[in-house]
Amino acid sequence: AQSVTQLDSQVPVFEEAPVELRCNYSSSVSVYLFWYVQYPNQGLQLLLKYLSGSTLVESINGFEAEFNKSQTSFHLRKPSVHISDTAEYFCAVTEGGANNLFFGTGTRLTVIP
Amino acid sequence: NAGVTQTPKFRVLKTGQSMTLLCAQDMNHEYMYWYRQDPGMGLRLIHYSVGEGTTAKGEVPDGYNVSRLKKQNFLLGLESAAPSQTSVYFCASSDQITQYFGPGTRLLVL
Repeated sequence: AQSVTQLDSQVPVFEEAPVELRCNYSSSVSVYLFWYVQYPNQGLQLLLKYLSGSTLVESINGFEAEFNKSQTSFHLRKPSVHISDTAEYFCAVTEGGANNLFFGTGTRLTVIP
Repeated sequence: NAGVTQTPKFRVLKTGQSMTLLCAQDMNHEYMYWYRQDPGMGLRLIHYSVGEGTTAKGEVPDGYNVSRLKKQNFLLGLESAAPSQTSVYFCASSDQITQYFGPGTRLLVL
């Protein structure tokens, strides 16, 4: 059965510092991987996704994630965070399409001025 | 394109009352979903639909019913609300791979 583990429930980081939010999944078959971001009192927004092809995927606001099949990971990184990146980030995985999307429990990123 | 919209945004109920949450999407997606979000538990799937007139149970369906009479709408009903149903409810729709979420409904059951 699929599962997603986000090891860090909270990550505080100073402004302009780099950050990595970790995501590991359990699956023995091909998967699609997603990162969603939830700003305070808002819904989830798709940040980036890996479907196939290049294992490094990027978002428009400077985040990137790398699919590592051997380590079953899809960690999210940003080289320099901004105050506006403060939000909760959810990793999600599916084997067979959108109907079986499993979410991690989320990582709350707090950017400190 | 409004994407996915949800009404109401916030509601307070007394135990035993009923209500319906409405989700609408304008992306012509076949698939729609209802989730609940609780602190420390991520999102849990309540019910979903793979097309007009179809519904299926998700991970936590007890106490909820759904209907998909029109392709663009997915309704979530609580027949007799309980305090354990206090949560934030999110609707989503998808193409075959990617889900897109609405802004959420905050429900407080007293």
